[in-house]
Amino acid sequence: DAGVTQSPTHLIKTRGQHVTLRCSPISGHKSVSWYQQVLGQGPQFIFQYYEKEERGRGNFPDRFSARQFPNYSSELNVNALLLGDSALYLCASSFIISTEAFFGQGTRLTVV
Amino acid sequence: AQTVTQSQPEMSVQEAETVTLSCTYDTSESDYYLFWYKQPPSRQMILVIRQEAYKQQNATENRFSVNFQKAAKSFSLKISDSQLGDAAMYFCAYRSARGDMRFGAGTRLTVKP
Repeated sequence: DAGVTQSPTHLIKTRGQHVTLRCSPISGHKSVSWYQQVLGQGPQFIFQYYEKEERGRGNFPDRFSARQFPNYSSELNVNALLLGDSALYLCASSFIISTEAFFGQGTRLTVV
Repeated sequence: AQTVTQSQPEMSVQEAETVTLSCTYDTSESDYYLFWYKQPPSRQMILVIRQEAYKQQNATENRFSVNFQKAAKSFSLKISDSQLGDAAMYFCAYRSARGDMRFGAGTRLTVKP
């Protein structure tokens, strides 16, 4: 069975641009969550989606938004990119909202 | 808000020996899950072990076991018979019933041959 897949693996953007990151959960998993991991730190919670509804939001500005589609895949959007948005963005899926989460390989975003 | 604290930025263990990584958390909730994740240089987060708060029995997965002290809000990870492949960053994580997950700052484990 395929694990959590994220695309793209790496990308480089310029300050002020917009970026969309994509995530496909493990088959049968209905919950997707997003995390930002800056080098040398633990992941920080951004969003939690379950059955296409937002169930939680971390302490991130409104430039960050997300959605979950009927097939349970998800997108994370970041507008007006800042240098400080450079990080590894991790997507995780779980069967239901509070059980163990399985992570994708991440998308490494560099903002220049 | 829930916080997770890992007080050991780095730990070192000799191959085949045992090491314990510490984690404490702060919460007012009664229903939650605790996890240990391993992150090797590839940065893929790998689930090591999970513990449900309502279970008194400590979780065990092969060479990995936890010491869960709910009243003390402590959740340590013991790695027995350490192997070179165990070298990685280890993150303790708290997941509430709402689903949001909070991570500690991590402990870098080095395994010496």
